[in-house]
Amino acid sequence: DARVTQTPRHKVTEMGQEVTMRCQPILGHNTVFWYRQTMMQGLELLAYFRNRAPLDDSGMPKDRFSAEMPDATLATLKIQPSEPRDSAVYFCASGLPLGGLYGYTFGSGTRLTVV
Amino acid sequence: GEDVEQSLFLSVREGDSSVINCTYTDSSSTYLYWYKQEPGAGLQLLTYIFSNMDMKQDQRLTVLLNKKDKHLSLRIADTQTGDSAIYFCAETLLEGFKTIFGAGTRLFVKA
Repeated sequence: DARVTQTPRHKVTEMGQEVTMRCQPILGHNTVFWYRQTMMQGLELLAYFRNRAPLDDSGMPKDRFSAEMPDATLATLKIQPSEPRDSAVYFCASGLPLGGLYGYTFGSGTRLTVV
Repeated sequence: GEDVEQSLFLSVREGDSSVINCTYTDSSSTYLYWYKQEPGAGLQLLTYIFSNMDMKQDQRLTVLLNKKDKHLSLRIADTQTGDSAIYFCAETLLEGFKTIFGAGTRLFVKA
């Protein structure tokens, strides 16, 4: 089965440190999303890319978060500096052309804990 | 506006039917989805429906769409303990093809 691969699965870091999360979308999927999931806020859209170009990152705190797709096989989400309120599970999802109208495939997530 | 609402919890007995409801507000939505999330895992697409359809059935799953009321439901027949999970309703907006998720309904199945 084709799958979206996220690394690392778990990350514990101290406040103020830089965190980089990586995602390998399914080959051929041209739409990539980053979501954050917390108990309080549920699933929040942070950013999404089509053909590696950022289309919408309005859900992302831009002073500390950045998202990039250096190539079609890698998407990154970086937090610098990290804060305890960033603790959450971060999901990457990818989809076929036409904006993934047939649904997206999610990775297993990166569980981030900032202490 | 963009909003998808779901009730937060549902509890059923094993063997009964489960019905999970969702309301959405954006009339431009064309594609609606149900995703399932098991503990420690990502969301898994269960099924989707186009807005020109009223119903879609796939084995134990039945999706009903009432476009006039902007109401979507997922019925799981003969619910099993393995169906215990969080179920997310989602819509894709035509503008920008952004997908909006509900907060999820946590389904508890009692043996």
